[in-house]
Amino acid sequence: AQTVTQSQPEMSVQEAETVTLSCTYDTSESDYYLFWYKQPPSRQMILVIRQEAYKQQNATENRFSVNFQKAAKSFSLKISDSQLGDAAMYFCAFFHYGGSQGNLIFGKGTKLSVKP
Amino acid sequence: NAGVMQNPRHLVRRRGQEARLRCSPMKGHSHVYWYRQLPEEGLKFMVYLQKENIIDESGMPKERFSAEFPKEGPSILRIQQVVRGDSAAYFCASSADRAGANVLTFGAGSRLTVL
Repeated sequence: AQTVTQSQPEMSVQEAETVTLSCTYDTSESDYYLFWYKQPPSRQMILVIRQEAYKQQNATENRFSVNFQKAAKSFSLKISDSQLGDAAMYFCAFFHYGGSQGNLIFGKGTKLSVKP
Repeated sequence: NAGVMQNPRHLVRRRGQEARLRCSPMKGHSHVYWYRQLPEEGLKFMVYLQKENIIDESGMPKERFSAEFPKEGPSILRIQQVVRGDSAAYFCASSADRAGANVLTFGAGSRLTVL
């Protein structure tokens, strides 16, 4: 069974600095998707970034980028120029078509605080 | 485009009562997913539905829980005879096609509290 592990329950970053959130996963599949979701205090789940496993190039979305290491089964999220609005829970998630349809497997999350 | 709409946002029930949570997917989306989030945990998949069909309910408890997505109207997650352990946030998501290639869009969740 696939698992997703986020080893950092909490992280803190100074405004305008850079922070990296870690995520590792376990799977025997070769074709899958990885996601980072943000959950602010409003509890809305917001997609931050998505990576297809068959793509070697790391995904980027403005200040957010990932470091996808397929062999190491690692998928970290880097937030550059951190802003106060980035404070939230961040969840890493895994999906592959061979599993239950629609079954995104989530990690337990990392709570990010941003200090002014 | 109003996004995925869930109601109620907050629901309080006493043990033994029934809880009904509703989800209207994004316009044009015919695939609906329900997830549960316990305190301090990530979301856990419960059930995947298309219009009038349950595609995968492997994550849903066999007893007391049921879900439907009728031809007309919202998807409903129904919990009968609620117990304290059912207290959680329940999230609905929708997609235009099966998940993965098409990203899930989540609603804001419904928080169920069982007294």
